[in-house]
Amino acid sequence: GIQVEQSPPDLILQEGANSTLRCNFSDSVNNLQWFHQNPWGQLINLFYIPSGTKQNGRLSATTVATERYSLLYISSSQTTDSGVYFCAGFYGGSQGNLIFGKGTKLSVKP
Amino acid sequence: DAGVTQSPTHLIKTRGQQVTLRCSPKSGHDTVSWYQQALGQGPQFIFQYYEEEERQRGNFPDRFSGHQFPNYSSELNVNALLLGDSALYLCASSRTGGNTIYFGEGSWLTVV
Repeated sequence: GIQVEQSPPDLILQEGANSTLRCNFSDSVNNLQWFHQNPWGQLINLFYIPSGTKQNGRLSATTVATERYSLLYISSSQTTDSGVYFCAGFYGGSQGNLIFGKGTKLSVKP
Repeated sequence: DAGVTQSPTHLIKTRGQQVTLRCSPKSGHDTVSWYQQALGQGPQFIFQYYEEEERQRGNFPDRFSGHQFPNYSSELNVNALLLGDSALYLCASSRTGGNTIYFGEGSWLTVV
């Protein structure tokens, strides 16, 4: 079936700690993207990462498309990193229907 | 450069009423998609508009309809509101052929 699964569902970190979020996706989902949703609801696009590795500051992401998983790394976490992280991919190669996972809720404590 | 803008930010409607939500895409974008996000869930795709026509549709009933205008802005209409329609409604825009999706801040709808 069409699936995007994320783990862990919840994560609590002390400021300064590192973390890894995982996303598994089924064969019908492609062109993985990672988003951060802030407490006010806005989704911010972090990475478009269909394969390979990208880095942006303290964040990096790796997708191994052949094994159908993607990882989001957060280093030296800050309280502003709190929120929900979603991975999503396009269904069936189209550029319309983004299928989202249920998200990982991250809380970074000072 | 304005990003994706949505209005209204919050609204409360009574069961059975109708609601219209509005979205202006990011400058240079011609494709608009709408998503519904229930509390504690990931967003779910409602439909996508391109060249003023519905191009794709998710698993939502006909009570959900939309429109795209010549300036690429879009509306989402929901008729005969149900309590279960209470959610955050997100508008996303993109450029045809592009892979980066930009979301607006959403419209929080509460049906009472």
